[in-house]
Amino acid sequence: QKEVEQDPGPLSVPEGAIVSLNCTYSNSAFQYFMWYRQYSRKGPELLMYTYSSGNKEDGRFTAQVDKSSKYISLFIRDSQPSDSATYLCALNYGQNFVFGPGTRLSVLP
Amino acid sequence: GAVVSQHPSRVICKSGTSVKIECRSLDFQATTMFWYRQFPKQSLMLMATSNEGSKATYEQGVEKDKFLINHASLTLSTLTVTSAHPEDSSFYICSASWQGHGYTFGSGTRLTVV
Repeated sequence: QKEVEQDPGPLSVPEGAIVSLNCTYSNSAFQYFMWYRQYSRKGPELLMYTYSSGNKEDGRFTAQVDKSSKYISLFIRDSQPSDSATYLCALNYGQNFVFGPGTRLSVLP
Repeated sequence: GAVVSQHPSRVICKSGTSVKIECRSLDFQATTMFWYRQFPKQSLMLMATSNEGSKATYEQGVEKDKFLINHASLTLSTLTVTSAHPEDSSFYICSASWQGHGYTFGSGTRLTVV
């Protein structure tokens, strides 16, 4: 079983839709959870960072962590074409830092 | 804060030549930096972990003599692709750890070997 699993997509949604991106993981030692957005031919950009179970909101983005289920999510409200990118989850404990493979999202105008 | 600058953003070189990519932490000290390679539509692949003042730690399958990493200061790490070949063409990205947990990425370098 891979350490982190993420549906690679592609995921296409109409503008204004609510997007749900998810990752599951197997190692309960992970303590820090991040979501990155990567536009084509650019480095990943940190979107959300959290370390506890529950929800964290930042503008149109909400990160959700369920440590008991080893499941993390990123919700995007009122999605915009500019949100079209690849979204990677990342998990960390100590010096161990693992990326999910990324989900390609297309928001259609 | 926590900005990582990577240079150059794009480079084309001839087969057999060497290319150096720089990664700088602009507003924080990075004792550890990471180098990744990413092929089109694929996820980031960790190549090596660069520690200031010591030798880099390479992932399995990454040739340390081909991908030379130098982390001479707390704000600068360099990756040199030696004797580059077309199969080395890829997107190379560095990142640095800040506050022990978050990771900030450079903007990446697209290397094309012709």
